[in-house]
Amino acid sequence: DQQVKQNSPSLSVQEGRISILNCDYTNSMFDYFLWYKKYPAEGPTFLISISSIKDKNEDGRFTVFLNKSAKHLSLHIVPSQPGDSAVYFCAARINNAGNMLTFGGGTRLMVKP
Amino acid sequence: DTEVTQTPKHLVMGMTNKKSLKCEQHMGHRAMYWYKQKAKKPPELMFVYSYEKLSINESVPSRFSPECPNSSLLNLHLHALQPEDSALYLCASSPLWTLGNQPQHFGDGTRLSIL
Repeated sequence: DQQVKQNSPSLSVQEGRISILNCDYTNSMFDYFLWYKKYPAEGPTFLISISSIKDKNEDGRFTVFLNKSAKHLSLHIVPSQPGDSAVYFCAARINNAGNMLTFGGGTRLMVKP
Repeated sequence: DTEVTQTPKHLVMGMTNKKSLKCEQHMGHRAMYWYKQKAKKPPELMFVYSYEKLSINESVPSRFSPECPNSSLLNLHLHALQPEDSALYLCASSPLWTLGNQPQHFGDGTRLSIL
C-alpha cells in the first residue's frame, strides 16, 4: 500500500512558466515532508522541506505548500528553468519513528527552452 | 558536489563474487543509511545506523551485510547476489536518527550489475 503517491509520472513546462508538482499521502502520522530532485547518474538532492505545523515554506524559486486536511502537498517552481529538468521525489516522515522516509514514485519534470 | 561520497560508482560482479560498497561523510552526521533504487522506482530503505549501531534492518536478505566501522564510514558487503539485486545503491546521512526535522543527504550511488 503506497502511503505517498505522485500521480503524475511526468510533467512538461515551458521555460519561465510555473511548474507545479503534486504529492498525496494517506498516513496522518506523517509530520515532516521533503522534496528531492534527482538527475540521471546522481543521487537525490534535498530541495526543500516543510513541517506539518506549517502550510507554506519558500526558498528562492521553490515553494512547498501543505494542505493537511486534503493530505496533499505541492512544489511550485517559479520561474522554471531548463536546468530544473529532473525527477522530483516527495518524501514523508512519521512523527516519533526516527528519520525514516517514505518516498513517492517520482515525477519527471521537463522544462523546454 | 555531494558531501556523501560513494565508491565505486559502477560495479559488475558475478553471483559467486564478494565485493563491498563504501560510503563516507565528513559532515559529523551520526545517522547513516543504505537504500536500494531500481529503475523508475523510488529509493527503498535497507539499513539505518545510528551512532555506529544498526538501528533498522528492513528485512534485507543476509547476502547484504552492512558495517559501520566509525562515524564517517559505512560499508555494504555483498556476497552471492542474485541478478534481481542489480540496482543503484544509495548511501545517505543525517545529523541524527531521532529528534528534529533533518533532511537526509545522499551520495551519487553505486550502480551494481550482477551477471
